Amino acid sequence: SQQGEEDPQALSIQEGENATMNCSYKTSINNLQWYRQNSGRGLVHLILIRSNEREKHSGRLRVTLDTSKKSSSLLITASRAADTASYFCATEVSGGYQKVTFGIGTKLQVIP
Amino acid sequence: SQTIHQWPATLVQPVGSPLSLECTVEGTSNPNLYWYRQAAGRGLQLLFYSVGIGQISSEVPQNLSASRPQDRQFILSSKKLLLSDSGFYLCAWSDRHYEQYFGPGTRLTVT
Repeated sequence: SQQGEEDPQALSIQEGENATMNCSYKTSINNLQWYRQNSGRGLVHLILIRSNEREKHSGRLRVTLDTSKKSSSLLITASRAADTASYFCATEVSGGYQKVTFGIGTKLQVIP
Repeated sequence: SQTIHQWPATLVQPVGSPLSLECTVEGTSNPNLYWYRQAAGRGLQLLFYSVGIGQISSEVPQNLSASRPQDRQFILSSKKLLLSDSGFYLCAWSDRHYEQYFGPGTRLTVT
């Protein structure tokens, strides 16, 4: 079964708006990562947040992690049409072999 | 800099035929290597991962197998393809810093 589950599964917003995607997981993790996939392409790593961190920023990306609720959120501010892609969270469970489990993703469409 | 190659990019194979997908990594040594499958509109399913030459762990029992004959080469194989093997196959590598770096993928259609 999937360790991470993203919510919503699809999101459509206007350019310039913020986009928020959520990820929930089931077991204790070492870290949580967010990846982006353009249609028909490989995944690109966006950001990693460790289990002892609560918030992390990278450019227009802001990731939060709440280990008590076993959830994370990815916020993309001032979205652009080029942000249109699928976004996946991936969790590395404690004791894992650097093996991460991916969720089913959130498909984001940014309308120009 | 590190690069990861996968080939072929697309493949159409009949049911019952064999399969060989290759992945190679350049610019790093002793990487962890991974094979994933992504069904249309779905998330990634980890198929195999390898932490070293000849060391393969299988995540899902199926008619696929993987081999790592060289440090930076990872091969996904099947003796007889099934219709359910269709999908987008992604190879990835990681060092000891957790981020995974993905190849461009192979789109396999079994007919």
